[in-house]
Amino acid sequence: DQQVKQNSPSLSVQEGRISILNCDYTNSMFDYFLWYKKYPAEGPTFLISISSIKDKNEDGRFTVFLNKSAKHLSLHIVPSQPGDSAVYFCAASALNGANNLFFGTGTRLTVIP
Amino acid sequence: GAGVSQTPSNKVTEKGKYVELRCDPISGHTALYWYRQSLGQGPEFLIYFQGTGAADDSGLPNDRFFAVRPEGSVSTLKIQRTERGDSAVYLCASSLIGGSAFSTDTQYFGPGTRLTVL
Repeated sequence: DQQVKQNSPSLSVQEGRISILNCDYTNSMFDYFLWYKKYPAEGPTFLISISSIKDKNEDGRFTVFLNKSAKHLSLHIVPSQPGDSAVYFCAASALNGANNLFFGTGTRLTVIP
Repeated sequence: GAGVSQTPSNKVTEKGKYVELRCDPISGHTALYWYRQSLGQGPEFLIYFQGTGAADDSGLPNDRFFAVRPEGSVSTLKIQRTERGDSAVYLCASSLIGGSAFSTDTQYFGPGTRLTVL
């Protein structure tokens, strides 16, 4: 049973425009959320995170928004650059000491020059 | 500084054989995790070590899978009697202190070992 879902397997965006990647979760015990970026033949690289006490976290061109009532989060990249082309994974965990991450299936972002 | 390293990068084996996959975490990281990523899926949690002990092994799919971390640094994931369904990329991650009821810290991933069972 997939507890973290990314319903869009792929997204194409023009360079300079905004990329919006979406993620939904079902487990109400999740209270920490992360986005990882993955290039081919490499492991996932941490990008940005947000805890459930916040609804927004910004780091440079990357902003993550959390809507707890809707169990939905999104990653905004603006402006998008060709180097952002990668697979983006949404992940969630519960602050219960376990620390294991539950991942979505990923969204492949292609930024067109 | 060096990141998480995993060896081998690729492993091809025959059904029924035994394999060992190695992970070298970032120096000083006490927490270590194994995940498995099947084609078209996100990584799935297998096991979490805090120091030398397995703090959570609830993700191991069955008793053919076993992992050790005898000195609290390098970890080995062992798979007995491999099956074709075990084919996947096995990812290792480490973090500085691991999780608690109050915080979690960032997990840093290695490049993975691609296991193919023929």
